[in-house]
Amino acid sequence: AQSVAQPEDQVNVAEGNPLTVKCTYSVSGNPYLFWYVQYPNRGLQFLLKYITGDNLVKGSYGFEAEFNKSQTSFHLKKPSALVSDSALYFCAVRDKSGNQFYFGTGTSLTVIP
Amino acid sequence: GAGVSQSPSNKVTEKGKDVELRCDPISGHTALYWYRQSLGQGLEFLIYFQGNSAPDKSGLPSDRFSAERTGGSVSTLTIQRTQQEDSAVYLCASSFHKLAGDLYNEQFFGPGTRLTVL
Repeated sequence: AQSVAQPEDQVNVAEGNPLTVKCTYSVSGNPYLFWYVQYPNRGLQFLLKYITGDNLVKGSYGFEAEFNKSQTSFHLKKPSALVSDSALYFCAVRDKSGNQFYFGTGTSLTVIP
Repeated sequence: GAGVSQSPSNKVTEKGKDVELRCDPISGHTALYWYRQSLGQGLEFLIYFQGNSAPDKSGLPSDRFSAERTGGSVSTLTIQRTQQEDSAVYLCASSFHKLAGDLYNEQFFGPGTRLTVL
């Protein structure tokens, strides 16, 4: 069965420090991988995606993510966190044969001033 | 251009009533998705429309849920005989697939409709 896991419900990081939000997945074959961010009372916004090629992908707002096939992970990273990065982050995966996106349960990121 | 819009933004209803939730996707987007987001849960896939193909209804939780997409644009999600467990935020998303196999295009989400069933 296809699934996405975000093992941390909550991540706290001090402003200026690097942040990591973890995601692992289980799909058949090679997946398409996505990160979305949800600010309070807002819809989800696309951050970045991995399709193929370079394992390190860069996205909006200085975020990047690294695809690791052997570990089936796609962790979201940012070198220096901002207070404005505080939001709910969702990892999503789509296999290349189905119609569905599979979303993780989300990780709430709080950046402490 | 306008993004995905949903209406109403909030809906409070009584148990047993029917509700209709509307989604206006981005113009030209061929694919439309409905999801349900419950507190502490991820996004639960409900239904997927792609062009003129038959919709993928595999995520609808019961036969009380149905959706249609008219003219390849606006979509309506209908919940009949609402139950308290239907209370959630219902999200709509659209994406553009030039070809049927363009499954890697990101989705654009609406702000959601918060449904409360009393």
